[in-house]
Amino acid sequence: DAGVTQSPTHLIKTRGQQVTLRCSPKSGHDTVSWYQQALGQGPQFIFQYYEEEERQRGNFPDRFSGHQFPNYSSELNVNALLLGDSALYLCASSWGGGAEKTEAFFGQGTRLTVV
Amino acid sequence: QKEVEQDPGPLSVPEGAIVSLNCTYSNSAFQYFMWYRQYSRKGPELLMYTYSSGNKEDGRFTAQVDKSSKYISLFIRDSQPSDSATYLCAMSGEDDKIIFGKGTRLHILP
Repeated sequence: DAGVTQSPTHLIKTRGQQVTLRCSPKSGHDTVSWYQQALGQGPQFIFQYYEEEERQRGNFPDRFSGHQFPNYSSELNVNALLLGDSALYLCASSWGGGAEKTEAFFGQGTRLTVV
Repeated sequence: QKEVEQDPGPLSVPEGAIVSLNCTYSNSAFQYFMWYRQYSRKGPELLMYTYSSGNKEDGRFTAQVDKSSKYISLFIRDSQPSDSATYLCAMSGEDDKIIFGKGTRLHILP
């Protein structure tokens, strides 16, 4: 079991550009959530995808968008990058199809630097 | 008031000591409580996952949840230098949205 995998591991972009980050969930998981972690802070919830739909969203602007594919993998897109978007972007997967909650497992993250 | 409060530390303790890490929270809807360990520049690693109030033990780690006081703790027995990391408390309600504390940086001194 490869666990949650994210790509790329590191990325450098220029202000105003657009970026796409990718996530493959842990085997057996169908729910993917994205988090932003600034240096010295805890992760902040961006949004969650289940059954290819955005199920809920945190307090992030519309520049942040996502997608979930039929195989449960997911993408996070950020448009019009700002310097403040520099952070570690984390993907977490869990199983959300039943009444019983399951733990969320995180990937190693993508470190995005905006210059 | 932040939803989850956690002292950022750093906390330095000698090897072999018992470590106590704590968080308080304000949202009474939280039912699921977690502790993650995060090494520098890595993703968070799930250590403990508990539902509602009570204690849970796993090896050297014990998690306690007191919902009446809105207070959770993680104890690490026989601490090792390899336990040096940032420890994040986290919690969620039925909506699955995980709210994290800022994390406590822990240093175990050999």
